[in-house]
Amino acid sequence: DSGVTQTPKHLITATGQRVTLRCSPRSGDLSVYWYQQSLDQGLQFLIHYYNGEERAKGNILERFSAQQFPDLHSELNLSSLELGDSALYFCASSVRLAGENGYTFGSGTRLTVV
Amino acid sequence: AQTVTQSQPEMSVQEAETVTLSCTYDTSESDYYLFWYKQPPSRQMILVIRQEAYKQQNATENRFSVNFQKAAKSFSLKISDSQLGDAAMYFCAYRTVYNFNKFYFGSGTKLNVKP
Repeated sequence: DSGVTQTPKHLITATGQRVTLRCSPRSGDLSVYWYQQSLDQGLQFLIHYYNGEERAKGNILERFSAQQFPDLHSELNLSSLELGDSALYFCASSVRLAGENGYTFGSGTRLTVV
Repeated sequence: AQTVTQSQPEMSVQEAETVTLSCTYDTSESDYYLFWYKQPPSRQMILVIRQEAYKQQNATENRFSVNFQKAAKSFSLKISDSQLGDAAMYFCAYRTVYNFNKFYFGSGTKLNVKP
């Protein structure tokens, strides 16, 4: 157990639907990062939050949004889902803004859009 | 833009043997960090080893070591005495000192370990 908790582990939903993925960072970590891992795209950075504030956006679609709450957990909202959104979504956390020692990853949420 | 390339989609090694996974990157920065992550079938992403670019000495962690060639922008991972539990996807990752918001990941190398 890495200390980063992601729920649910698996999610199957239909096209056009909306889902929410949840991440609880490791205790003491203020930074939360979201990544998408598709079969042919590797790991793609989506968004970074630090202590409740959005700090950076990567290749995140407008249909996707995220937030980090006062208790530091984060949610990634995916709407108007398409088949191509099927992927493994990782959350990672680090203590500060700069993950000099790398990130601590959660075990991911497997999203399947049918 | 920074890119990370892993040119070996899949590799195999005999148990107890040594294997080297390749990684190259492209950057104009002088200070940065490099990482190798392991992703076993459990899907967890586990940090294996990290290297600061300003350090000339290659990082080592038990059976894992790197060959960091800054001028060549190469960062290979050597796994000695391979074990069945080493079987996983291995991702090389890059992060600058200044752009701390995100890592750049390679596409991964699947390592098979044969008993």
